[in-house]
Amino acid sequence: GNSVTQMEGPVTLSEEAFLTINCTYTATGYPSLFWYVQYPGEGLQLLLKATKADDKGSNKGFEATYRKETTSFHLEKGSVQVSDSAVYFCALRDQTGANNLFFGTGTRLTVIP
Amino acid sequence: DAGVTQSPTHLIKTRGQQVTLRCSPKSGHDTVSWYQQALGQGPQFIFQYYEEEERQRGNFPDRFSGHQFPNYSSELNVNALLLGDSALYLCASSPGLKGRRNEQFFGPGTRLTVL
Repeated sequence: GNSVTQMEGPVTLSEEAFLTINCTYTATGYPSLFWYVQYPGEGLQLLLKATKADDKGSNKGFEATYRKETTSFHLEKGSVQVSDSAVYFCALRDQTGANNLFFGTGTRLTVIP
Repeated sequence: DAGVTQSPTHLIKTRGQQVTLRCSPKSGHDTVSWYQQALGQGPQFIFQYYEEEERQRGNFPDRFSGHQFPNYSSELNVNALLLGDSALYLCASSPGLKGRRNEQFFGPGTRLTVL
């Protein structure tokens, strides 16, 4: 079946530090992969996505590369800001065409000034 | 352009009661999906509606049911509430072409507490 395993948090970083949040997945075939962000009191927002192997998704300084060989989609940012404090979810959509998403458990990031 | 809206924001019920949650999709979207997000967990897919019919369903009991109206808005109903039903319920909408393989836009959620 489909599943997503995500680095457990919480993660606390100082402003301008480098961020990595690990994500690995289990799925048949070639799923699409996503990172969603959830700010306090708000719904999930799509941060970036990749739909095939070796694709790199990027947005707002965040990036993640779809690695088929390691079944991974790690999220990185070179210099985090206080405003990046949120919960980050890795998710997949399988290749069957169904539009439902499978999510990891989320990683809470806190950035301190 | 209003995004996905959900009501109510918060709800408190007791065990055994029934609850109805509501969702209005983003303008131009015709497919609505519902997810349950327990505290400290990622969202789990409940079901998806398109053309007023349930098209897909996750691993949730029949106590969870839904409806989609001609204007594409949707309701989630949960009967015989259990303590374990306490969660944030998220609605997501996606645009045409049967909503398949299109980005899902999420609402802010309804926080349900069962006492």
